[in-house]
Amino acid sequence: EAQLVESGGGSVKPGGSLRLSCVASGFTFRSAWINWVRQAPGKGLEWVGRIRSKINGGTTDYAAPVKGRFSISRDDSKNTVFLQMISLKSEDTAVYYCTTESPMATTFDYWGQGTLVTVSS
Amino acid sequence: QSVLTQPPSASGTPGQRVTISCSGSRSNIGSKTVNWYQQLPGRAPELLMYNDYQRPSGVPDRFSGSKSGTSASLAISGLQSEDEADYYCAAWDDSLNGYVFGSGTKVTVL
Repeated sequence: EAQLVESGGGSVKPGGSLRLSCVASGFTFRSAWINWVRQAPGKGLEWVGRIRSKINGGTTDYAAPVKGRFSISRDDSKNTVFLQMISLKSEDTAVYYCTTESPMATTFDYWGQGTLVTVSS
Repeated sequence: QSVLTQPPSASGTPGQRVTISCSGSRSNIGSKTVNWYQQLPGRAPELLMYNDYQRPSGVPDRFSGSKSGTSASLAISGLQSEDEADYYCAAWDDSLNGYVFGSGTKVTVL
């Protein structure tokens, strides 16, 4: 069974940086497209960005609010995707979920349990 | 502000039918498939409906989806207490070159 486990969340001051990890198991990771979706406290879901599989170029896409500040990378040897976040703002406070994407169906099939990032002075 | 518009809440008594709307534009719903996610309290979201109206394995057939033009709908027939959750529509947006979610609808079983 597919499983995703996020880690790396915590409290950081505005302007600070944080790196989240998403470790996957139970499926062929190197073929997987991985997305990050966040949810601010009491709010709805917001797409953050994604990384394609290396066989599909390993390229990334980002939502406008995080472009230039967030970057997604992957280490297929460790079944891990990273979300590097810099210049953090209070509005980045959220639970961050990693999800698998089925590119043909454009669905987010499997989700992790999420990791909380709090940006506050 | 979300790109896809949903009503903030919907409710019904057990056994009733509840419908949730999702309104978008030509760059998302009007040209792409719509998916729906269910988020139970305190849990991560789960895929509930894909390709406008198809149910993943394990999703009861009392959940149904439809789409017309730039709007989509999710219906829950025979509402049950375990259906109390937040529901989100989602689609790819060609103008934004990214995924967009609806604002979310909280379903309450009275």
